[in-house]
Amino acid sequence: AQSVTQLDSQVPVFEEAPVELRCNYSSSVSVYLFWYVQYPNQGLQLLLKYLSGSTLVESINGFEAEFNKSQTSFHLRKPSVHISDTAEYFCAVSGPGGYNKLIFGAGTRLAVHP
Amino acid sequence: DTAVSQTPKYLVTQMGNDKSIKCEQNLGHDTMYWYKQDSKKFLKIMFSYNNKELIINETVPNRFSPKSPDKAHLNLHINSLELGDSAVYFCASSQVPRAGADGELFFGEGSRLTVL
Repeated sequence: AQSVTQLDSQVPVFEEAPVELRCNYSSSVSVYLFWYVQYPNQGLQLLLKYLSGSTLVESINGFEAEFNKSQTSFHLRKPSVHISDTAEYFCAVSGPGGYNKLIFGAGTRLAVHP
Repeated sequence: DTAVSQTPKYLVTQMGNDKSIKCEQNLGHDTMYWYKQDSKKFLKIMFSYNNKELIINETVPNRFSPKSPDKAHLNLHINSLELGDSAVYFCASSQVPRAGADGELFFGEGSRLTVL
């Protein structure tokens, strides 16, 4: 069985500061890893994903995440956050079984303050 | 045009009632999903259909019955509503690859169900 643990339920940070949102996973098979973002009163949107290849993946709005197999982690980072990054961030894992069955973590609320 | 649309957005009803939530996607995807998000924001998959065939059926009370009349629609019917059914229900769609996964689900904006 697969599971995802997001270690922080809330992360407050000041604008232009760096941030790291932590995600650890558990799986007995190879996995695919994802970060989704949920803005207030909206559905989730895919932010970035690791399927294979380079362990460092990036999004178009400056976020990056690194797949670390030995530590079973997929932490999300951004060197300088904006007010507009305030949202709920979900880490998710999918196995090779197909059909994009995603198992989500409990989410981390990123609150960016001026 | 909204890619994945759900109706209604808000639903307030009494315990014991029966209600339905509808979902439509115009992305041409083969696979659709229902997820439940509880008050602590935890998201859990409930069902998935691929080309009108049920492919994922998690441990969900049989009061919940999904129906997919065609691959662009996936509806959720809930009988005998209980207080614990209060949640936000998200519909999603995906073009599932032949092997493996690409994780790209497109979510609707959610339907907030409140059971009194």
